[in-house]
Amino acid sequence: EAGVAQSPRYKIIEKRQSVAFWCNPISGHATLYWYQQILGQGPKLLIQFQNNGVVDDSQLPKDRFSAERLKGVDSTLKIQPAKLEDSAVYLCASSRLDREQYFGPGTRLTVT
Amino acid sequence: GENVEQHPSTLSVQEGDSAVIKCTYSDSASNYFPWYKQELGKGPQLIIDIRSNVGEKKDQRIAVTLNKTAKHFSLHITETQPEDSAVYFCAASKGSGGSNYKLTFGKGTLLTVNP
Repeated sequence: EAGVAQSPRYKIIEKRQSVAFWCNPISGHATLYWYQQILGQGPKLLIQFQNNGVVDDSQLPKDRFSAERLKGVDSTLKIQPAKLEDSAVYLCASSRLDREQYFGPGTRLTVT
Repeated sequence: GENVEQHPSTLSVQEGDSAVIKCTYSDSASNYFPWYKQELGKGPQLIIDIRSNVGEKKDQRIAVTLNKTAKHFSLHITETQPEDSAVYFCAASKGSGGSNYKLTFGKGTLLTVNP
């Protein structure tokens, strides 16, 4: 089966600009996650969807970050406006309800 | 919330030797413990996991042990090969229902296997 797809793979923007990332989960996976991975650290959960509802967004900086999951399948994560400290890899993962999480290749964001 | 500590941060071994990475967790309600391997420029790849009703699980050269009383779990790689070189992450979650699926990751271990 196809894995989690993400695009773009790389993005360079200036601070205060906006950026959006796209994720297509594994077919049939009800749960979708967005993680932020800062260089040298483990991934940190930003938001979790189950179908098209938000389950956990407690660590999402809501003043600048937003996310949606369209029709319970694809998802987009947006940052507006970006700050220097947002430079990181943004990982999307998906899973069946209580099973293993599978990660996409990530989008490396550089904010200058 | 859950806190996962991982040691060592770097590990260098000779090809054919064994490698052990250890993690501790803080939330006694956690019951699902996966290990991920991350190669440069790629997303984390699940390599093995264990649930709290099992003390040990093995898959070829990889094994994971869990001590729920002490709240620690370990990854063991035997007969290491150069292609095992990567960053390894441990994680923990409560593993059932809604936001309990959330994984809390350790900071990672950079494993280098020298030929």
